[in-house]
Amino acid sequence: SQQGEEDPQALSIQEGENATMNCSYKTSINNLQWYRQNSGRGLVHLILIRSNEREKHSGRLRVTLDTSKKSSSLLITASRAADTASYFCATDDNQGGKLIFGQGTELSVKP
Amino acid sequence: DGGITQSPKYLFRKEGQNVTLSCEQNLNHDAMYWYRQDPGQGLRLIYYSQIVNDFQKGDIAEGYSVSREKKESFPLTVTSAQKNPTAFYLCATGQYYGYTFGSGTRLTVV
Repeated sequence: SQQGEEDPQALSIQEGENATMNCSYKTSINNLQWYRQNSGRGLVHLILIRSNEREKHSGRLRVTLDTSKKSSSLLITASRAADTASYFCATDDNQGGKLIFGQGTELSVKP
Repeated sequence: DGGITQSPKYLFRKEGQNVTLSCEQNLNHDAMYWYRQDPGQGLRLIYYSQIVNDFQKGDIAEGYSVSREKKESFPLTVTSAQKNPTAFYLCATGQYYGYTFGSGTRLTVV
């Protein structure tokens, strides 16, 4: 059961530009999280936003959440080549702790 | 990878063989999870365990088996009944507020 869907599937930008990725989900949530995956590695937790929050910042990351539209966006400002990775959103299933992951956005930042 | 270790990193399976993937954590978390990732796709849940000696099927449990005899360990066996086992397997631990992932095992059928 896939809860989140990311858009776009792939994004290619130049270093220094901003990157925006979107996530839509289907059911009510307690929180929404974003993860990063470098090629051939495990996922790394980036940021969590609770359902009663609208925006959250962490360094160059900005996450927004619109529960009325069941959508979230992840903005990476002033991107670097090292930001090249796949980014996944994940939502809890309201059934005791399982996270459901989206398909991911593959970000390529060209130097 | 932050207190959770998967081994081996690469694994090759012959047709008809069972293979076991190891996952060990020292984060003292109750819950552990196994996901499968196919190229260019998201994560699909195979099995999860929220307490020792108990586990539940995820979305794609057919052809897989698990055990949870110790809090620290949650091994996954890919049985011969799994007809398309070639994939990247990820183990995770944590709760609804965030998971810590292992570095993955890449399984290939030869």
